[in-house]
Amino acid sequence: SAVISQKPSRDICQRGTSLTIQCQVDSQVTMMFWYRQQPGQSLTLIATANQGSEATYESGFVIDKFPISRPNLTFSTLTVSNMSPEDSSIYLCSVEGLAGGLETQYFGPGTRLLVL
Amino acid sequence: AQTVTQSQPEMSVQEAETVTLSCTYDTSENNYYLFWYKQPPSRQMILVIRQEAYKQQNATENRFSVNFQKAAKSFSLKISDSQLGDTAMYFCAFMRFGDSNYQLIWGAGTKLIIKP
Repeated sequence: SAVISQKPSRDICQRGTSLTIQCQVDSQVTMMFWYRQQPGQSLTLIATANQGSEATYESGFVIDKFPISRPNLTFSTLTVSNMSPEDSSIYLCSVEGLAGGLETQYFGPGTRLLVL
Repeated sequence: AQTVTQSQPEMSVQEAETVTLSCTYDTSENNYYLFWYKQPPSRQMILVIRQEAYKQQNATENRFSVNFQKAAKSFSLKISDSQLGDTAMYFCAFMRFGDSNYQLIWGAGTKLIIKP
């Protein structure tokens, strides 16, 4: 399975500012995913990022609010722009992978964001 | 559209006991994959076990096993000889077979507490 790291692991930000979260994988992957997880809740997919193309956003998420970069096959960033307290969440990066020959996703450790 | 339902928001058992977490899903697909992920307080989402729908044999991984009932669209997770380290949120997830987008459909999660 892939080893995935995220930076920062946590941050406290003021409303109106922006935060960029980095996701680094130890192997080349085609697909990377960004999720938001509200406290005690399940995961909500924000967007899918393929190298060399624009990210595909899910309903309710827009590029102006959550711009994503995917400059190569091992790295991606998610920016949370013009933050408000409602953006306080855990943000998770994941990548495509195979588990026993089955397609699946492997996850990074997450970034805990608190917006004041 | 596929949906995944976890009807138990929270469960707690004594250490060394066996516990079963329930998951039901709805799909019109005949071939698909099902997963159980574990998310301990550290936030790292970890793949616990996976099942291919076209395999009748239930998957097992050490102390973790599933009871897959395709006709009933049920996919429960059994944890034997539970340990304190099993304390976590457990998420059931669905993926269509051959989905080139690796899209996971998530349940709401079950919070499992193992008591000493």
